[in-house]
Amino acid sequence: EVQLLDSGGGLVQPGGSLTLSCAASGFAFSSYAMTWVRQAPGRGLEWVSAITGSGGSTYYADSVKGRFAISRDNPKNTLYLQMNSLRAEDTAVYYCAKGEMTTVTRAYFDFWGQGALVTVSS
Amino acid sequence: DIVMTQTPLSLSVTPGQPASISCRSSQSLLHSDGKTYLYWYLQKPGQSPQLLIYEVSSRFSGVPDRFSGSGSGTDFTLKISRVEAEDVGVYYCMQTIHLPLTFGGGTKVEIK
Repeated sequence: EVQLLDSGGGLVQPGGSLTLSCAASGFAFSSYAMTWVRQAPGRGLEWVSAITGSGGSTYYADSVKGRFAISRDNPKNTLYLQMNSLRAEDTAVYYCAKGEMTTVTRAYFDFWGQGALVTVSS
Repeated sequence: DIVMTQTPLSLSVTPGQPASISCRSSQSLLHSDGKTYLYWYLQKPGQSPQLLIYEVSSRFSGVPDRFSGSGSGTDFTLKISRVEAEDVGVYYCMQTIHLPLTFGGGTKVEIK
């Protein structure tokens, strides 16, 4: 059974940093792309970042480029999102999701974590 | 960026009646490989999104056959043949043909 467990959320001050983790089980982690999608309170879904199965290629939304860094530790079956220079508008529930295949584009994301709430406020 | 526009914003449906949601993309989602990279997700209240439909019209594993998808190019439709109480939530279309990946704004389905 595929399981994704998001963790690391919390309250952080503007300008601060936080790292989210997504622990994966039930599938061959290194064979699949992974992505982060966020949802601000009461709002829709917004794609944030994605990484190929090998970790060799990473992609970002313009809204987080230069501030966020996605990475993965395939032997540990864990996905990360390092978030720096956080802003109030980064406040959201962050979901990790598993890709259909090793590449990011032209594929779906079939299983999602439960989400981790990040609140950026002073 | 590809803009995904969904209509309506919300829908109130009597159980057993059909429902239809439209999604329009600002660019064609048809790739040169012949596939169209349009997906539908449902986010039930308090839950994570779940995949319903991939590549316009293919139901994901375990999705009831009352859900169907259609369309081509830039215009797509999700239909629920007979709405049930468990179908309430927000429905999103999504494209993955080009980065950045983008979602529609969502359509909230409620039961009358």
